[in-house]
Amino acid sequence: DTAVSQTPKYLVTQMGNDKSIKCEQNLGHDTMYWYKQDSKKFLKIMFSYNNKELIINETVPNRFSPKSPDKAHLNLHINSLELGDSAVYFCASSRGIDLTDTQYFGPGTRLTVL
Amino acid sequence: GNSVTQMEGPVTLSEEAFLTINCTYTATGYPSLFWYVQYPGEGLQLLLKATKADDKGSNKGFEATYRKETTSFHLEKGSVQVSDSAVYFCAPSGGGSQGNLIFGKGTKLSVKP
Repeated sequence: DTAVSQTPKYLVTQMGNDKSIKCEQNLGHDTMYWYKQDSKKFLKIMFSYNNKELIINETVPNRFSPKSPDKAHLNLHINSLELGDSAVYFCASSRGIDLTDTQYFGPGTRLTVL
Repeated sequence: GNSVTQMEGPVTLSEEAFLTINCTYTATGYPSLFWYVQYPGEGLQLLLKATKADDKGSNKGFEATYRKETTSFHLEKGSVQVSDSAVYFCAPSGGGSQGNLIFGKGTKLSVKP
């Protein structure tokens, strides 16, 4: 069984469209994250939820809106897509927010905006 | 907030060579330190971690020691294999009580037979 899964794996869309990426974890973790990896492989935290509550909201355009319907799911909705949104988006989860907790990553969603 | 500086790549080695990838960090408090690995086309996987000073993390022949005095967490392996070709990320925990990771820029390792 896949611990952290994301759908879709690839997403190609036009500028201006709205799209969503879904993430699910079956590890029983309380905390979930979204990271963005740019073309140079640089990874940066975007959001984090703990027990369905938003705890990290980095400097991300408000076109990006995370939603956590329950502890096992954290979805990312993006409005009015721009060329610069093209990247690989990784979902991750951890047992909690303790600094020693290991994060488990999904396989990534490669978003290409044309 | 916390930050990390990681050795720039790419690094190309022959099989059985010795590997060192340098990583230094700045942090308030006492972060945990992680090395993650990303194989081509895949997500990140934890390689090893250390949660307090002088701890040594190890896995698959890789080792790294949490050096508080030099704020470093250098990754080493005595004899690399072709299958070790990947991108390696050093990541201290982000500080505060939020548990996020601060990633280095990644070091791409290519091992030639």
